[in-house]
Amino acid sequence: DAMVIQNPRYQVTQFGKPVTLSCSQTLNHNVMYWYQQKSSQAPKLLFHYYDKDFNNEADTPDNFQSRRPNTSFCFLDIRSPGLGDAAMYLCATSSGTSGFTDTQYFGPGTRLTVL
Amino acid sequence: TQLLEQSPQFLSIQEGENLTVYCNSSSVFSSLQWYRQEPGEGPVLLVTVVTGGEVKKLKRLTFQFGDARKDSSLHITAAQTGDTGLYLCAGGEAGGTSYGKLTFGQGTILTVHP
Repeated sequence: DAMVIQNPRYQVTQFGKPVTLSCSQTLNHNVMYWYQQKSSQAPKLLFHYYDKDFNNEADTPDNFQSRRPNTSFCFLDIRSPGLGDAAMYLCATSSGTSGFTDTQYFGPGTRLTVL
Repeated sequence: TQLLEQSPQFLSIQEGENLTVYCNSSSVFSSLQWYRQEPGEGPVLLVTVVTGGEVKKLKRLTFQFGDARKDSSLHITAAQTGDTGLYLCAGGEAGGTSYGKLTFGQGTILTVHP
């Protein structure tokens, strides 16, 4: 089945140690999103790519970076994780062709723990 | 910046009861989507409503989009324990990009007790 895959599902890192989270999709969607979600709260958009065009949210800390080497893959890099960065990180995709009814398809998330 | 206020934030009910979750904004949205998220998983789309006044039904779930496209509601009839989860409303921005950048509400944590 076409889907959004995130690896790893659980990631433990140390304070200040860089970490990379991975997302891949078989939907061939143009748009890929990264969200941060803290316990039982709404997802907070960090940034998104439309194809190769990167769009950063104004309040996303510089500590968070992203790469999209091709249509299928997108990475979230946290350069120096702090305790406050412990959260669920969700990747989502959308076709980018359906206007305001564009549906976002979410991956299962990566739970990041910072020690 | 468009904001969506979702209420209630927490809802704890007994199996068989009915409930309604509300999503309100002072802004107009082109579409309103409802997601359900189980612990440890990503949100899963339940429905998208796009027309003011639109009502959609999904088994025991009824979704309504306000006439002015500023608010929406989710009504669950005869709740079951399997309905437990985090319910999120998300608005598609009017007049924005050609794709689905969403504004999420704060979410409603629903717990249905047997």
